[in-house]
Amino acid sequence: DTGVSQDPRHKITKRGQNVTFRCDPISEHNRLYWYRQTLGQGPEFLTYFQNEAQLEKSRLLSDRFSAERPKGSFSTLEIQRTEQGDSAMYLCASSLDPQGTEAFFGQGTRLTVV
Amino acid sequence: DQQVKQNSPSLSVQEGRISILNCDYTNSMFDYFLWYKKYPAEGPTFLISISSIKDKNEDGRFTVFLNKSAKHLSLHIVPSQPGDSAVYFCAASSGYGQNFVFGPGTRLSVLP
Repeated sequence: DTGVSQDPRHKITKRGQNVTFRCDPISEHNRLYWYRQTLGQGPEFLTYFQNEAQLEKSRLLSDRFSAERPKGSFSTLEIQRTEQGDSAMYLCASSLDPQGTEAFFGQGTRLTVV
Repeated sequence: DQQVKQNSPSLSVQEGRISILNCDYTNSMFDYFLWYKKYPAEGPTFLISISSIKDKNEDGRFTVFLNKSAKHLSLHIVPSQPGDSAVYFCAASSGYGQNFVFGPGTRLSVLP
């Protein structure tokens, strides 16, 4: 296992379409986080999972956004009815509870809504 | 309200000299702090962390200092190398395993 993997790396979509991103965490990590990063800003927290349970959601996560981690392994982030303001880098990270508190990030999925 | 601040958007340092990146926070509940480095088109890479029970943590060329009373931390890189040129993010969390709050980042350029 070489780290957190995200797919796709880039996605261009038309406004109003739905998109889904996948994240595969480091295999033994039980915590999984989703962040969004726009140009010139630091990553902004969206949501996180402990195993399959979604424990916290940011107010940034509107009802058009949904995240799942059905078996406590990989996770998906879906955006419905995309808007131009959704254009950003979507980052996934994982960590190991209780041994580790630092999160390890994937390379991200860059979404462009046209 | 920005809870984690990095007031210097950019910093240029000569190779071999010390780089000092600063970070301020407002939430007194934060008890764990991390620094990440990010190259273009890559995800952030963990560098070094510090718990609020310590005031210094060192790892090779990287040292993080924490001043809890001032709600301030800094990352020292000695000696700076051209490969250190990247965007550096300060992050903080409150409570074990909680989400991380990131600052806006400082772009470090190490000049040969």
